[in-house]
Amino acid sequence: DAGVTQTPRHEVAEKGQTIILKCEPVSGHNDLFWYRQTKIQGLELLSYFRSKSLMEDGGAFKDRFKAEMLNSSFSTLKIQPTEPKDSAVYLCASSLEGQGGNTLYFGEGSRLIVV
Amino acid sequence: GEQVEQRPPHLSVREGDSAVIICTYTDPNSYYFFWYKQEPGAGLQLLMKVFSSTEINEGQGFTVLLNKKDKQLSLNLTAAHPGDSAVYFCAVGVGDNSKLIWGLGTSLVVNP
Repeated sequence: DAGVTQTPRHEVAEKGQTIILKCEPVSGHNDLFWYRQTKIQGLELLSYFRSKSLMEDGGAFKDRFKAEMLNSSFSTLKIQPTEPKDSAVYLCASSLEGQGGNTLYFGEGSRLIVV
Repeated sequence: GEQVEQRPPHLSVREGDSAVIICTYTDPNSYYFFWYKQEPGAGLQLLMKVFSSTEINEGQGFTVLLNKKDKQLSLNLTAAHPGDSAVYFCAVGVGDNSKLIWGLGTSLVVNP
């Protein structure tokens, strides 16, 4: 079975650019999560979808971050405009729908550097 | 809200030694817990998932202990080997997975 696929693996953007990160969840999974990972803050939830519906949009990240899930097998995270502080690894994860405790399956991440 | 403190942030051991990572959480209603391993350049991989009903959980080369009284979750690697070198994360949950609270990670280095 294919795991979670994220593209691109690496992205270098200039300040003010728009970047789009992509994620394909595990087939059959209905829950999809976007996280930002930094050494200082650890894993921070950006967005959470259940059956393509946005359930959480990460409060503090609303301004310039927008996640979408147009179909059950594809999600995007748009950052517009990028700022140097957005430099981080962006992780996508998926899980079966259900109550808490379902295993999250992570992609390898997209490393973003904003200069 | 729930908080999770993970320690130590860095750990260096020799091959064959044991390594212990501890997460302390605050919400007594927490009922599911994860340990994930992240190797360089890779995503997080599940090491073990435990529920509050089980205090001792055995894995291959490691044991996860849940001390509900002290609200501590520990990962104990016995006889560590270089392949165990990675960053380890705990996560604690009460409610659905969007409410997971993550530790900041422990960078483990196992020297030959």
